[in-house]
Amino acid sequence: QITLKESGPTLVKPTQTLTLTCTLSGFSLSTSGVGVGWVRQPPGKALEWLVVIYWDDDKRYRPSLKSRVTITKDTSKNQVVLTMTNMDPVDTATYYCARHYALYGMDVWGQGTTVTVSS
Amino acid sequence: DIQLTQSPSFLSASVGDRVTITCRASQGISSYLAWYQQKPGKAPKLLISAASTLQSGVPSRFSGSRSGTEFTLTVSGLQPEDFATYYCQQVNSYPLTFGQGTKVDIK
Repeated sequence: QITLKESGPTLVKPTQTLTLTCTLSGFSLSTSGVGVGWVRQPPGKALEWLVVIYWDDDKRYRPSLKSRVTITKDTSKNQVVLTMTNMDPVDTATYYCARHYALYGMDVWGQGTTVTVSS
Repeated sequence: DIQLTQSPSFLSASVGDRVTITCRASQGISSYLAWYQQKPGKAPKLLISAASTLQSGVPSRFSGSRSGTEFTLTVSGLQPEDFATYYCQQVNSYPLTFGQGTKVDIK
């Protein structure tokens, strides 16, 4: 069974750095063509694509967030880590990770983790 | 960035209705468009990839089509479990972008 699960803090203060981990099961990020992406959804709003990392370590970022976002993978641990610096209340959202194939879409999603940015 | 404009934003329908949602891309994306269904409090679910390829396990009442830069998701015979929000996503070029969503509610 293919699953992804997000983990990390539920509350961060403004200006702090957010670190979220996506733990993969049932597939490997070392398999050709596979990627893992992050999408967020502010309360009551639409989905927003953030970033993707591929099996070959190719990374693509949302330009408006590129200076704040870092994505890395640890294939041995089957994990992908998202780091977002200088958090602001507008970054309050549910953050999802999902398996991604280029030119195809995001076919398996984690359950999401809700992050609130507040002092 | 490629903009995706979904219409309508909100749709009220009855069980058994045929429902059509449109997604217009601001520039050509070939057929690199996906459709997702999202229910409240849940993660999105991929329904259709490549504009018209139904994912395994998705009921055949769902279908997708393309005409130029206009894409359509059709539900033929709406079922109670289909009341949800639907999003299109272009996967042609980065940054990937989503439409603003179409909420399908019970009339």
